[in-house]
Amino acid sequence: SQQGEEDPQALSIQEGENATMNCSYKTSINNLQWYRQNSGRGLVHLILIRSNEREKHSGRLRVTLDTSKKSSSLLITASRAADTASYFCATDADTGNQFYFGTGTSLTVIP
Amino acid sequence: NAGVTQTPKFQVLKTGQSMTLQCAQDMNHEYMSWYRQDPGMGLRLIHYSVGAGITDQGEVPNGYNVSRSTTEDFPLRLLSAAPSQTSVYFCASSRDGRQETNTEAFFGQGTRLTVV
Repeated sequence: SQQGEEDPQALSIQEGENATMNCSYKTSINNLQWYRQNSGRGLVHLILIRSNEREKHSGRLRVTLDTSKKSSSLLITASRAADTASYFCATDADTGNQFYFGTGTSLTVIP
Repeated sequence: NAGVTQTPKFQVLKTGQSMTLQCAQDMNHEYMSWYRQDPGMGLRLIHYSVGAGITDQGEVPNGYNVSRSTTEDFPLRLLSAAPSQTSVYFCASSRDGRQETNTEAFFGQGTRLTVV
């Protein structure tokens, strides 16, 4: 399986602090995406980074990609209580049209 | 636009029963897929479709069938429910599934299925 793995599995921080989550994957990819899931809800797309990109920003989100290490990180700056959710990385298969999700990081932001 | 709509939201089945989970999208997306989400295992791909009339298996296809007769609909059928199929099921769609133009996936709200 090409399923990625997020690290840490759970993260608890104070409001205003930065949160960093990491994702590792197994084989070469075309792009990597990060999603957020609030409890009991579907996943919502946050950001997509292509294999030829090293860093991407979107608001308070910063994503990096290191294809040599097969890893990505998601940084949420100045966290808010509303950022409490699970965060997943998803990669496409090197061949085919399948997307693989990691096991997720559960983030709790304490007000 | 309603996005991706899944029905039902909750379902309890007895072992051996069959049922169909419905998924519809109104965004004219070519690519649709079904995932199951189990605690500690993330989302696992069951089946996917790159367009009407075309379906293929994902990581965990056993016990499930799909069809794609229209662009809008992608139902998932459980042939003979088993307790191991207790899970939360998500349908997703994206504009297309080509790697060079991959875009975001839009997810439904999920169906929580319990098999007793």
